[in-house]
Amino acid sequence: RKEVEQDPGPFNVPEGATVAFNCTYSNSASQSFFWYRQDCRKEPKLLMSVYSSGNEDGRFTAQLNRASQYISLLIRDSKLSDSATYLCVVNTGGFKTIFGAGTRLFVKA
Amino acid sequence: EAGVAQSPRYKIIEKRQSVAFWCNPISGHATLYWYQQILGQGPKLLIQFQNNGVVDDSQLPKDRFSAERLKGVDSTLKIQPAKLEDSAVYLCASPAGDTQYFGPGTRLTVL
Repeated sequence: RKEVEQDPGPFNVPEGATVAFNCTYSNSASQSFFWYRQDCRKEPKLLMSVYSSGNEDGRFTAQLNRASQYISLLIRDSKLSDSATYLCVVNTGGFKTIFGAGTRLFVKA
Repeated sequence: EAGVAQSPRYKIIEKRQSVAFWCNPISGHATLYWYQQILGQGPKLLIQFQNNGVVDDSQLPKDRFSAERLKGVDSTLKIQPAKLEDSAVYLCASPAGDTQYFGPGTRLTVL
């Protein structure tokens, strides 16, 4: 079993749609969680951190369920510019950071 | 604040040749990571430095890969000899708190 697993994708959605990505992690001692965005042929960049209480940044909402070892990202009112690969990232402590394989999102006009 | 610098941006070599990549992290950042990102996969950590010391190199294929950070600032990653499966983007990252700031990467193609 991979340490961090994501929905395989790709997701193809029309503009304005709501889309949700899921991620599971295997190490119950994991300490911090993130979503990164990676545009085609670019480096990954932090999108948002994920907290147990859930957090929202504009159209983006991230949730963490420690009991189920599950992380989600919800994007509302999708824009063309949201097209990218979304990477689920888990820090297991001691500076060890593990990236999921990523889920590709295509938003179409 | 300047970002993470990497060079070269692209490199094409033949298998069994040697190659080296360079990274200059964000000024003052003690920690530096090298990642390998194969097409269609997420970045995989190769090695982590804290100043000029290695913290974690458990996933570095030490028979062919080496890395150093002699003065605790910039770093080089070397592959010798390269194999076809080494074709990937090599990313350098400089963390601040929990956030990893990546350089633009070096895209390596091994023919």
